[in-house]
Amino acid sequence: ETGVTQTPRHLVMGMTNKKSLKCEQHLGHNAMYWYKQSAKKPLELMFVYNFKEQTENNSVPSRFSPECPNSSHLFLHLHTLQPEDSALYLCASSQDWDISGFYNEQFFGPGTRLTVL
Amino acid sequence: AQTVTQSQPEMSVQEAETVTLSCTYDTSESDYYLFWYKQPPSRQMILVIRQEAYKQQNATENRFSVNFQKAAKSFSLKISDSQLGDAAMYFCAYRSASSGSARQLTFGSGTQLTVLP
Repeated sequence: ETGVTQTPRHLVMGMTNKKSLKCEQHLGHNAMYWYKQSAKKPLELMFVYNFKEQTENNSVPSRFSPECPNSSHLFLHLHTLQPEDSALYLCASSQDWDISGFYNEQFFGPGTRLTVL
Repeated sequence: AQTVTQSQPEMSVQEAETVTLSCTYDTSESDYYLFWYKQPPSRQMILVIRQEAYKQQNATENRFSVNFQKAAKSFSLKISDSQLGDAAMYFCAYRSASSGSARQLTFGSGTQLTVLP
């Protein structure tokens, strides 16, 4: 285990549903990330939070809404998703102090397998 | 923008043999980091090995080693004495060493490694 947990592990939802993905890190890190992993495609960075502030949003549709209430928890709120949003959603965390060293190695959670019907 | 290419979607190796996974990248930067991540069927991505671009010496971590060719922008992973537990999807990743974008990892599309008993 990497110290990053995600719930739920599997989620099936309709296009009109609202659901949330949760990520928690037990590593004392101050940066957290959401990635989308689709079949046969590279991981796509969606959002980055540093010290609870969103620092990057890689042109993600507004139907994905992140929330970072503290440096240990990260949520991804989902609403009116499309079938093409079905994917594995990975959370990661890192210690984002020293950009010149390996302190900001990213540790990944097990992911949430999302299916949108 | 940086890109990472893994040209081998699938590879297989006999148990106890050696296998090399290829990765090339494109960047205009001189200072950066390269990583190999492993994602087993349980889906939790873990770091296998990392390389600092300014270091000429190839990184080694037990049975895992890299062949880093900076001029050719090549970063291959060699797994010696392959074990059944090495079966996984392997991702090559790039991270800039410059401030602001340092926390963003750019991933390749992955290589699925099968280890044959």
